[in-house]
Amino acid sequence: AQRVTQPEKLLSVFKGAPVELKCNYSYSGSPELFWYVQYSRQRLQLLLRHISRESIKGFTADLNKGETSFHLKKPFAQEEDSAMYYCALSMGSSNTGKLIFGQGTTLQVKP
Amino acid sequence: DAGITQSPRHKVTETGTPVTLRCHQTENHRYMYWYRQDPGHGLRLIHYSYGVKDTDKGEVSDGYSVSRSKTEDFLLTLESATSSQTSVYFCAIGLAGKNIQYFGAGTRLSVL
Repeated sequence: AQRVTQPEKLLSVFKGAPVELKCNYSYSGSPELFWYVQYSRQRLQLLLRHISRESIKGFTADLNKGETSFHLKKPFAQEEDSAMYYCALSMGSSNTGKLIFGQGTTLQVKP
Repeated sequence: DAGITQSPRHKVTETGTPVTLRCHQTENHRYMYWYRQDPGHGLRLIHYSYGVKDTDKGEVSDGYSVSRSKTEDFLLTLESATSSQTSVYFCAIGLAGKNIQYFGAGTRLSVL
């Protein structure tokens, strides 16, 4: 069955420290992976998608098909990065656009 | 905000009463989704729609029904609300062919 796992409910780091939010997925086909972010009192929004291979707000994520992972990384965390982060999987061949979300990880960046 | 509005934003209701949440979009997107957000579970898909009168069940559809009589409106109904349906409900629209979704601001529902 298709599944997305984010093993950490809470990740707490100090400002300036590196950050890695883990995401593992289970899907036998060709996946498309996303990271969504929800800042306090704001709506959920797309942060990045693996096919774009871009860096947004200093965050990057690389799809590792061998390890079925899509970890989100940032070399130097900022306080404004504090938010809830969700990893999501789209079963690429689907034409309904459905996403499967992980449980979410709260990132807390301390001053 | 991709022209998505949810109403109401907050609701408190009693067990056993029917509740309808509304999602409205202004940009004529074909795909719409309803999720619930719960601690430890992330976002789980309740129902989705791929056009007027075309809907299908998601992962956690029991106790919920939906309707889409117009492109712009996607309604979620809790037929007889239970305390386990206390949650934050999010509507999303999907960009065709891109698997990207844009979310509404959410509705916080408390069932007492």
